[in-house]
Amino acid sequence: NAGVTQTPKFQVLKTGQSMTLQCAQDMNHEYMSWYRQDPGMGLRLIHYSVGAGITDQGEVPNGYNVSRSTTEDFPLRLLSAAPSQTSVYFCASSRTGFEKLFFGSGTQLSVL
Amino acid sequence: GENVEQHPSTLSVQEGDSAVIKCTYSDSASNYFPWYKQELGKGPQLIIDIRSNVGEKKDQRIAVTLNKTAKHFSLHITETQPEDSAVYFCAAPSGGYQKVTFGTGTKLQVIP
Repeated sequence: NAGVTQTPKFQVLKTGQSMTLQCAQDMNHEYMSWYRQDPGMGLRLIHYSVGAGITDQGEVPNGYNVSRSTTEDFPLRLLSAAPSQTSVYFCASSRTGFEKLFFGSGTQLSVL
Repeated sequence: GENVEQHPSTLSVQEGDSAVIKCTYSDSASNYFPWYKQELGKGPQLIIDIRSNVGEKKDQRIAVTLNKTAKHFSLHITETQPEDSAVYFCAAPSGGYQKVTFGTGTKLQVIP
């Protein structure tokens, strides 16, 4: 059982580039979410999904897109990277929306 | 929406001493309060949670207490060990229980 798998672990982008952060889970969880972690600001919700085909915005959605075509995968797309998006990104999944979240190991993103 | 405040932001204790981290929440309807531990370079991991129908829950050296009237809950770690050194996050459900709002985190350092 791999749990929640995130790729890549590290990424450096130039301003204006686009990229996709991958997230996959093998626990058949309906709920998946993306957080960013910045010093002193905790974990802030970017986007979340309550099931395949259903996504919604979190606290800080601007500059990010998501889609959920399967139960297992929930990719996060940066459309045009900005230095303000330099952060550590975590994907999480759970059986319900708010209980017992399982987190991936994170993606450290630097935008120059 | 839910607002979760967490204190202190940093905490240093001697090995063997106790550590207490406190969180307050704003939504009186919230009924589930988890605590997550994040070790360096890893994603957060659920360590204990409590529901609003109980006032205290223990699991070996860790315990969580809940005061619904005052809208605050606390994490207690007794007989601290160096491996307890980590960042701890409290959280509460929000957005109709489809989201989770996290506190800003407490960096605990256990000094051998």
